[in-house]
Amino acid sequence: SQTIHQWPATLVQPVGSPLSLECTVEGTSNPNLYWYRQAAGRGLQLLFYSVGIGQISSEVPQNLSASRPQDRQFILSSKKLLLSDSGFYLCAWSLGNYGYTFGSGTRLTVV
Amino acid sequence: AQSVSQHNHHVILSEAASLELGCNYSYGGTVNLFWYVQYPGQHLQLLLKYFSGDPLVKGIKGFEAEFIKSKFSFNLRKPSVQWSDTAEYFCAVRGYSTLTFGKGTMLLVSP
Repeated sequence: SQTIHQWPATLVQPVGSPLSLECTVEGTSNPNLYWYRQAAGRGLQLLFYSVGIGQISSEVPQNLSASRPQDRQFILSSKKLLLSDSGFYLCAWSLGNYGYTFGSGTRLTVV
Repeated sequence: AQSVSQHNHHVILSEAASLELGCNYSYGGTVNLFWYVQYPGQHLQLLLKYFSGDPLVKGIKGFEAEFIKSKFSFNLRKPSVQWSDTAEYFCAVRGYSTLTFGKGTMLLVSP
């Protein structure tokens, strides 16, 4: 069966520090991968999606970047975090026209 | 571009009351429609989905949703809510490729 792993679960980082959140999927090949940010009262905002290794589409220009170094690995990064980067980050995967499966999320607090 | 509007940000009901959460979408072509639920402290989970066929879709835990193409709506319903239905509910639409979420509706069911 397919599983999705996301870590860490919580993270507290100072302003200006770098960020790396990792997401891996098991049990499937060539999935579409997504990073969403969930903020209270604002729903889920799509940040990046990838349809293959090295292929990244950015939905919202901001202080973050994403990379897909392997088929089932998706990384969300920042060189210098801002206070406004605080939020709940969710990784998800999908195949074809099926629904998305979400990871457990990372609660990021920038202080 | 596709968009999703959820009518209510917060809903408070007593147990056994009936539930209807509104969802309207904007997209000119064929869509896939979803409702996701996030129980307190848990992952986002798929509640139900509509791809084609019967516009009345039945999901888990007694939920159903009706796709009304002429109204661009996909409202979620449950005849009798339980305390355990307390959660945040997200409507989502996929048009061309990615999933776009509404801002969510927080449902609080009082015993």
